[in-house]
Amino acid sequence: DTGVSQDPRHKITKRGQNVTFRCDPISEHNRLYWYRQTLGQGPEFLTYFQNEAQLEKSRLLSDRFSAERPKGSFSTLEIQRTEQGDSAMYLCASSLNRDQPQHFGDGTRLSIL
Amino acid sequence: KQEVTQIPAALSVPEGENLVLNCSFTDSAIYNLQWFRQDPGKGLTSLLLIQSSQREQTSGRLNASLDKSSGRSTLYIAASQPGDSATYLCAALLMMDSSYKLIFGSGTRLLVRP
Repeated sequence: DTGVSQDPRHKITKRGQNVTFRCDPISEHNRLYWYRQTLGQGPEFLTYFQNEAQLEKSRLLSDRFSAERPKGSFSTLEIQRTEQGDSAMYLCASSLNRDQPQHFGDGTRLSIL
Repeated sequence: KQEVTQIPAALSVPEGENLVLNCSFTDSAIYNLQWFRQDPGKGLTSLLLIQSSQREQTSGRLNASLDKSSGRSTLYIAASQPGDSATYLCAALLMMDSSYKLIFGSGTRLLVRP
């Protein structure tokens, strides 16, 4: 399968813990995006990378959130000191360029107890 | 505020019907518009992408149109099948805070009854 893959699929953790998610984009895609989706809503943009450079961060992304794409391939999204409001589906997408479709992974569902 | 709105929020139709899903956006300076399908608990599957210079795109039983001047896009599904049941999301690539971002509607939940 050469699509976007995300790991883990599900994460359950207690409030206050740190969590890290991983995204492996389609191999030739240099753009990588993170989104957050809550029930009944469309995804909301969080941040985006062009190769290893993080070019944009949403105001939704508080200081507890950090994302990296160290070698321009896979990316990680870390949430520190998780809160109940962080419970959501975290989606990763990749694209070749702005003119091409974004392709999404199946997401990581985060549940905060 | 730039918004993308989808109507209806939910739709139930008998198998075989042709149907239209609507999407509207507030900013006519759209770069492109993408339609996605999302099955429960899954990610998004890209269906069609329309560039701002295009008026429509077709793939199989799906046809998407784009009217920038009125801020609307429609997704037409011909001869619907139970396997088409899913949530359909439209997303407009719009300029926000000096860069282009994909702004999503809340989706239309489609149920095709056998």
